[in-house]
Amino acid sequence: NAGVTQTPKFRVLKTGQSMTLLCAQDMNHEYMYWYRQDPGMGLRLIHYSVGEGTTAKGEVPDGYNVSRLKKQNFLLGLESAAPSQTSVYFCASSYSTGGVRTGELFFGEGSRLTVL
Amino acid sequence: DQQVKQNSPSLSVQEGRISILNCDYTNSMFDYFLWYKKYPAEGPTFLISISSIKDKNEDGRFTVFLNKSAKHLSLHIVPSQPGDSAVYFCAASEGGAGGTSYGKLTFGQGTILTVHP
Repeated sequence: NAGVTQTPKFRVLKTGQSMTLLCAQDMNHEYMYWYRQDPGMGLRLIHYSVGEGTTAKGEVPDGYNVSRLKKQNFLLGLESAAPSQTSVYFCASSYSTGGVRTGELFFGEGSRLTVL
Repeated sequence: DQQVKQNSPSLSVQEGRISILNCDYTNSMFDYFLWYKKYPAEGPTFLISISSIKDKNEDGRFTVFLNKSAKHLSLHIVPSQPGDSAVYFCAASEGGAGGTSYGKLTFGQGTILTVHP
């Protein structure tokens, strides 16, 4: 059982290049999220999805796009990378809220992106 | 404006002693709080949580205390072990069980805990 898997783990981009981060979960979770972690800032929510075919903006969505075409996958795209997007990106998934399980997110190992 | 704050960037304790990690929040709509632990090169993993209807939740060596009037929570680890050395994140959400937060969490900056043998 792999849990949440992110690819790639590392990537170096030049300013203006585009790329896509892939997140896959095998826990049949409804909700999926993309966070970024920067020094001194904690984790900040970029976009999230509450089900297949749905996406919504989080706290820091500018410069990113997402898609959830399949329930198990959540893609994060950078159309024109900027140095300010140098960060560690974490994907997470969770059960829908309600019942016993509330707020517990399962995270991937992270993807370190450097934009030169 | 940071709604969840961990004002201590780091904490160092001796093995066997108590570790106390603190977290403050400003959003009065938060009603569910969690602690996550993160090792280098790994994703955060869930540690313990507490609902706003409680003031204490215990799980083995880990206890979380919530003071709603002060908008403050703390994580106690007793006894501390070298394997507890990690970054600890406090997180909060609105809406709680059955709410409309869709599991969105607001995280603090993290505290690096080092437990010395």
